[in-house]
Amino acid sequence: AQSVAQPEDQVNVAEGNPLTVKCTYSVSGNPYLFWYVQYPNRGLQFLLKYITGDNLVKGSYGFEAEFNKSQTSFHLKKPSALVSDSALYFCAVRPYTGFQKLVFGTGTRLLVSP
Amino acid sequence: SAVISQKPSRDICQRGTSLTIQCQVDSQVTMMFWYRQQPGQSLTLIATANQGSEATYESGFVIDKFPISRPNLTFSTLTVSNMSPEDSSIYLCSVVAGSGNTIYFGEGSWLTVV
Repeated sequence: AQSVAQPEDQVNVAEGNPLTVKCTYSVSGNPYLFWYVQYPNRGLQFLLKYITGDNLVKGSYGFEAEFNKSQTSFHLKKPSALVSDSALYFCAVRPYTGFQKLVFGTGTRLLVSP
Repeated sequence: SAVISQKPSRDICQRGTSLTIQCQVDSQVTMMFWYRQQPGQSLTLIATANQGSEATYESGFVIDKFPISRPNLTFSTLTVSNMSPEDSSIYLCSVVAGSGNTIYFGEGSWLTVV
């Protein structure tokens, strides 16, 4: 069965500092991996995805994520955090082939302080 | 990408009533999905809606409670029937679009049952 773990309920970082939001996954076969962001009172916005190829994926708003197959991880990163990055972040996975269903992690709240 | 519009965006509903949520996509898509996000929780897939066939429901969700229509390749509805306060959630429509199999979400329909 597929599963996603986001071990941190909340991540606090000061503006201008680098940030990392952690995600590990379990899926049979090769995974599609996604990060989404949810701002207050909004739906989910797509940030980036890993399908195949380069392990470092770049996405929207300066975010990037590194796929590590040996550690089954897909951590979200940004070199310099902004206060406006404060939001709820979800990692999600689905198998490379077959059904398009996404399995989500529990979400990590990112708080960037001025 | 895909632009997904959901109606209503918010509603307050009386216990025992039913509400139909509409999802309109700006392009033709094969698969549409309905997710639920209960307060403070992650997203859970309710069902997959394919045009021309019955929706496929996930474990714990039944057609009598969440009937779904998919009359064409750009539109779907989800009805939440005989609502109780436990149905207070965000209901999100999502689609697979683009060449990279990205899954996009609407802004969600925020339902409060009183």
